[in-house]
Amino acid sequence: SQTIHQWPATLVQPVGSPLSLECTVEGTSNPNLYWYRQAAGRGLQLLFYSVGIGQISSEVPQNLSASRPQDRQFILSSKKLLLSDSGFYLCAWRWRHSPLHFGNGTRLTVT
Amino acid sequence: DAKTTQPNSMESNEEEPVHLPCNHSTISGTDYIHWYRQLPSQGPEYVIHGLTSNVNNRMASLAIAEDRKSSTLILHRATLRDAAVYYCILSPPTDSWGKLQFGAGTQVVVTP
Repeated sequence: SQTIHQWPATLVQPVGSPLSLECTVEGTSNPNLYWYRQAAGRGLQLLFYSVGIGQISSEVPQNLSASRPQDRQFILSSKKLLLSDSGFYLCAWRWRHSPLHFGNGTRLTVT
Repeated sequence: DAKTTQPNSMESNEEEPVHLPCNHSTISGTDYIHWYRQLPSQGPEYVIHGLTSNVNNRMASLAIAEDRKSSTLILHRATLRDAAVYYCILSPPTDSWGKLQFGAGTQVVVTP
């Protein structure tokens, strides 16, 4: 069966520091991968998605970037975090006609 | 993209059915209706989806109005584990199913 791993579960980072969140999927090949963010008290917002290695589409211009170095690995990065980057970051995958499957998320607090 | 309207919150007693309404009066003919739910501090979880006909699965039932301008998610016997935010989302055919627009959803409270 397919599983999705996201880490770390929680993270506290100072303003101006870099960020790297990693997500990996097991049990499927060539999944579509997604990064969503949920700010406190708000709905989920799609940040990036990828349909293949090295293919990244950005939905919202911001201080973040994404990369997909391997088929089942998706990384969210920032060179310098802002206070407004705080939130709950969720990785998700889907394949062909399946619904979205989300990971358990990373709660990022920028101080 | 077509928009959905859901009540902010609903309360239910444990072991009773819960009917969650969703209005989507501007739905297009090819939009699918998806339901996800999000438990506290977790990622959203897929519940069910449909196009025109009513759908059932082990988690819930989805009743779609004949004109497709509204739908209802039915949890047949609420448990404490069903306390979550439930999202009703419209999406064009399958290629866009990952790019979902989540609204505020309905907070379901289940009391013992």
